[in-house]
Amino acid sequence: AQSVTQLDSQVPVFEEAPVELRCNYSSSVSVYLFWYVQYPNQGLQLLLKYLSGSTLVKGINGFEAEFNKSQTSFHLRKPSVHISDTAEYFCAVSEGDSWGKLQFGAGTQVVVTP
Amino acid sequence: GAVVSQHPSWVICKSGTSVKIECRSLDFQATTMFWYRQFPKQSLMLMATSNEGSKATYEQGVEKDKFLINHASLTLSTLTVTSAHPEDSSFYICSARGTKLAEQYFGPGTRLTVT
Repeated sequence: AQSVTQLDSQVPVFEEAPVELRCNYSSSVSVYLFWYVQYPNQGLQLLLKYLSGSTLVKGINGFEAEFNKSQTSFHLRKPSVHISDTAEYFCAVSEGDSWGKLQFGAGTQVVVTP
Repeated sequence: GAVVSQHPSWVICKSGTSVKIECRSLDFQATTMFWYRQFPKQSLMLMATSNEGSKATYEQGVEKDKFLINHASLTLSTLTVTSAHPEDSSFYICSARGTKLAEQYFGPGTRLTVT
């Protein structure tokens, strides 16, 4: 069975500074990896996903993530954050033959201050 | 992109009553839908997998007699919380499996408050 660990529950960051959100997973089979953002009292928005191919994935709103198979990681980065990036970020994984069924990490709250 | 809707977006009910939440895929057929629950300041937890025309598959620890799932058509799955109690108050989110590999589309969620 797969599991997802988000190493930071909260990440404070100043506006225009870079941010990295860490995500590690464990699985015995091939996986698909996702990052979602959730604004207060709203649903989920897909930021990016890794299915195969290039390990560097670019998503919306300037976010990117790198898949590292040897370290079983899928860290999310943004070089310069905005106040509007304040939100909860979830890393998620689905296994190859049961894609669509997601296991979510605990989430990382990003708080951007001026 | 594909759209998934949920109805209602929020609902308040009295303890002991039942509540039905609908999840619809608006512009595609979804043979498989998923129901998640999210408690305040927590992550999403998968409750069950809903397959069109067959019984839902529930995750360990989810009471199938309390959370009734029906997926009677390719565009509609419903979750009925029976005999709701305050501890069932949560944000319920559905997703629909798309036609392309690893595609899934989330609904906007339904906030249930049981008083």
